[in-house]
Amino acid sequence: KAGVTQTPRYLIKTRGQQVTLSCSPISGHRSVSWYQQTPGQGLQFLFEYFSETQRNKGNFPGRFSGRQFSNSRSEMNVSTLELGDSALYLCASRPPGVGSHEQYFGPGTRLTVT
Amino acid sequence: AQSVAQPEDQVNVAEGNPLTVKCTYSVSGNPYLFWYVQYPNRGLQFLLKYITGDNLVKGSYGFEAEFNKSQTSFHLKKPSALVSDSALYFCAVRDENAGNMLTFGGGTRLMVKP
Repeated sequence: KAGVTQTPRYLIKTRGQQVTLSCSPISGHRSVSWYQQTPGQGLQFLFEYFSETQRNKGNFPGRFSGRQFSNSRSEMNVSTLELGDSALYLCASRPPGVGSHEQYFGPGTRLTVT
Repeated sequence: AQSVAQPEDQVNVAEGNPLTVKCTYSVSGNPYLFWYVQYPNRGLQFLLKYITGDNLVKGSYGFEAEFNKSQTSFHLKKPSALVSDSALYFCAVRDENAGNMLTFGGGTRLMVKP
């Protein structure tokens, strides 16, 4: 079974621009979460989607948004980019079922804002 | 609020020796605990989890972790370290009442020397 895929893998944007990152979960997984990883703040939860609904949101400004499609693929968008948004953005999916708690991560999208 | 602490930024161990990477946590409800490993330019790879049951859980690549409720710890262990185990290790916790959001520790870099 293919793992979580994220596109693009690398991205360079200019301050003030906006960006959209894409995540395809493992087949059959309906829950998708996004995390931001930076050297200073570590790994921080952005949001979680399940069945096209946002179920949980981390402590990030409104410039960070996301959505999930009917096929469970998810996108996150960052508007008005700031230098501090430079980070590795990780997507994770979770298997269905009440006994499944672990999340499986994709390789990430490395965003550099200049 | 949930939190995780990994008190050591780096752990150095000789190949063949046992290794321990420490993790303590704080949650309001019952904890779901996880260990992930990250290799350079890669996403997070799931190693093992504690949900309930035996305090000693076994995971991938010979790793195991011991859950200690009284000390609120979940230390990662391996009886015999390999050079290829050198990587960044993250402990994470999910409060059973906090949806699917994972809170990560700051990470511990494991260096295994030949």
